[in-house]
Amino acid sequence: GDSVTQMEGPVTLSEEAFLTINCTYTATGYPSLFWYVQYPGEGLQLLLKATKADDKGSNKGFEATYRKETTSFHLEKGSVQVSDSAVYFCALRPSNFGNEKLTFGTGTRLTIIP
Amino acid sequence: DAGVTQSPTHLIKTRGQHVTLRCSPISGHKSVSWYQQVLGQGPQFIFQYYEKEERGRGNFPDRFSARQFPNYSSELNVNALLLGDSALYLCASSLVAGNTEAFFGQGTRLTVV
Repeated sequence: GDSVTQMEGPVTLSEEAFLTINCTYTATGYPSLFWYVQYPGEGLQLLLKATKADDKGSNKGFEATYRKETTSFHLEKGSVQVSDSAVYFCALRPSNFGNEKLTFGTGTRLTIIP
Repeated sequence: DAGVTQSPTHLIKTRGQHVTLRCSPISGHKSVSWYQQVLGQGPQFIFQYYEKEERGRGNFPDRFSARQFPNYSSELNVNALLLGDSALYLCASSLVAGNTEAFFGQGTRLTVV
């Protein structure tokens, strides 16, 4: 079945540091890939997405590129801020139309210190 | 526009009891999905409903059931509650099944004692 493997956390960085959170997946066909962010006490917010190979999703300075050859979708940001502190989830959705099932990784807790 | 709304936000139940959680999707969204998020883990898919029909079911026991109403709102029911059912239950809605972004509600925090 589908699965998502995410970089173990927690991750602690200083403000303005470079961020990478690794994500690899196992799925048949060409799933859509997502990064969601969860702030304390809140639900999930979509951060960015990519729906086909070599697509780059980007939002709020975060980027991730859909790499079919390495089945990866690593999240990067060039300069993190304290406000980026949250839990980040990598997820995939199957390619077959009508299937809304999202498969999530276990999440990576990110803490940015001033 | 209002986002996905879930009720209640928190509740505490005793083992063996039954619980009903409610979700109102974004206006115009016809697909609703339910997820269980245990503390420290990623969300796990429970159900998907589209146009009032079940379109997907995750690996959860029959104690879990759901339905979608004509106005596209949805209920998740859990019978014979166990301590292990304690979790954040998330509802997500999307405009067209499998074609667009899923928007999540704030969740319902269920504690079983």
